[in-house]
Amino acid sequence: QQQVKQSPQSLIVQKGGISIINCAYENTAFDYFPWYQQFPGKGPALLIAIRPDVSEKKEGRFTISFNKSAKQFSLHIMDSQPGDSATYFCAAAGNNRKLIWGLGTSLAVNP
Amino acid sequence: GAGVSQTPSNKVTEKGKYVELRCDPISGHTALYWYRQSLGQGPEFLIYFQGTGAADDSGLPNDRFFAVRPEGSVSTLKIQRTERGDSAVYLCASSSSNTRERNTEAFFGQGTRLTVV
Repeated sequence: QQQVKQSPQSLIVQKGGISIINCAYENTAFDYFPWYQQFPGKGPALLIAIRPDVSEKKEGRFTISFNKSAKQFSLHIMDSQPGDSATYFCAAAGNNRKLIWGLGTSLAVNP
Repeated sequence: GAGVSQTPSNKVTEKGKYVELRCDPISGHTALYWYRQSLGQGPEFLIYFQGTGAADDSGLPNDRFFAVRPEGSVSTLKIQRTERGDSAVYLCASSSSNTRERNTEAFFGQGTRLTVV
């Protein structure tokens, strides 16, 4: 049973476009929702994270939108660049501190 | 060191052998996590240390897997009687948080790619 469901599995976007990745979670005890970026052969790196007391958080070109009632959150990458091509993971954690991960989205940004 | 360091970066072993995977966390980080990532999947939680003690080992798949952190810094993940299904990238992360109330950023190493043949 996948506690964090991520979609789409893969995404192709033109340079300058907006990339949107969605996640949904089951456990209402989750209170921390990070997004990670992973390049081949590297460990995941934190992009941006949000807590359920806010509905949106923006850092540079990256924005998280959070809908607590729907138990959904999404990552928006504005002005997508070829260097953004990577695998993106959403995750969720509660007080027990262990991250539960989505299955990942492979993003390709065409020049 | 500047980041989380994992050694070796690659390990090939024969089925049935014993392996040890090492993680050097960021200096001063009290929390340390082990995850396992299979090809095309998200990381899967294995175990979490707070200081020297395993605070949560609920993700260890069976008793062939064991991890230690004797001095609260370096951690070793030990796998006995390896099986082909153990092949994956084993990721280590550390975090500076020492409270249960808030999650802070977990910094990941580059992982150890384990291949059991």
